[in-house]
Amino acid sequence: GAVVSQHPSRVICKSGTSVKIECRSLDFQATTMFWYRQFPKQSLMLMATSNEGSKATYEQGVEKDKFLINHASLTLSTLTVTSAHPEDSSFYICSAPWIAGGAETQYFGPGTRLLVL
Amino acid sequence: QKEVEQNSGPLSVPEGAIASLNCTYSDRVSQSFFWYRQYSGKSPELIMSIYSNGDKEDGRFTAQLNKASQYVSLLIRDSQPSDSATYLCAVPSGAGSYQLTFGKGTKLSVIP
Repeated sequence: GAVVSQHPSRVICKSGTSVKIECRSLDFQATTMFWYRQFPKQSLMLMATSNEGSKATYEQGVEKDKFLINHASLTLSTLTVTSAHPEDSSFYICSAPWIAGGAETQYFGPGTRLLVL
Repeated sequence: QKEVEQNSGPLSVPEGAIASLNCTYSDRVSQSFFWYRQYSGKSPELIMSIYSNGDKEDGRFTAQLNKASQYVSLLIRDSQPSDSATYLCAVPSGAGSYQLTFGKGTKLSVIP
C-alpha cells in the first residue's frame, strides 16, 4: 500500500498562534489529498480536498481563511490553522488517494494531534 | 448525499469468538466498499476492500457483500484482544475522485 507521513505528530501551541501541519506521500505522487478532523469519540469529518496547482475545495462549514491549505508539490500538502483557539484542538489527519484492487480509495497519514492552550 | 450506517457499539466478544460488524449504505450504484480499522488515538488503516457480491477472505478477516440488500459486513474469526478497535465502513461518495463517505464506526472490544 501507499505510505503517507505527517509532521508534526503532536503540537501544543498558545491561543492566537498559527500551526502548520505537513502531509507527504512518500513513494508516490498525489495530485489530490484530503484533510480530516476528528474530535474525541467522534467520527472523521472531511474538512477539505487539497488540489495540486489549484485552490483547495472546502466542505460546508469549514472556514477557508482559518484553515489554509497549500498543495505545494505532487508529494506535499500543508494545512495551516491560523489564529488557533482551544476549540481547534483536535486530531488532524490527511489522506492520499490510491488504487486498491482496482478501486479508488484512500490511505491515511498517522495524524497530528493539536492542543491549543 | 450517500449515507453509510453502522451500529456504534460497543460490540463485545470473548477472545477466540467471531466478531460480526455490519454496515448498510443508501446508494444502490455503489460499486466498491472498504473497511478501515482505527485504534484509539491512531489514524484509520485500510484492512479490506470488496467489490463483488459474496465473500472475500483475507486471513482472519472476511468481508461479505450483498448489493441487493445494500449490506456489507466484516467477520473477524478467532478474535484477539489486539483486534479491539473502531471499524469504519466506507463507500465512494461520488462527490469527486477518490472521495469516500465513512460510517461513524463500530467499536469492538475483544475480552480476554
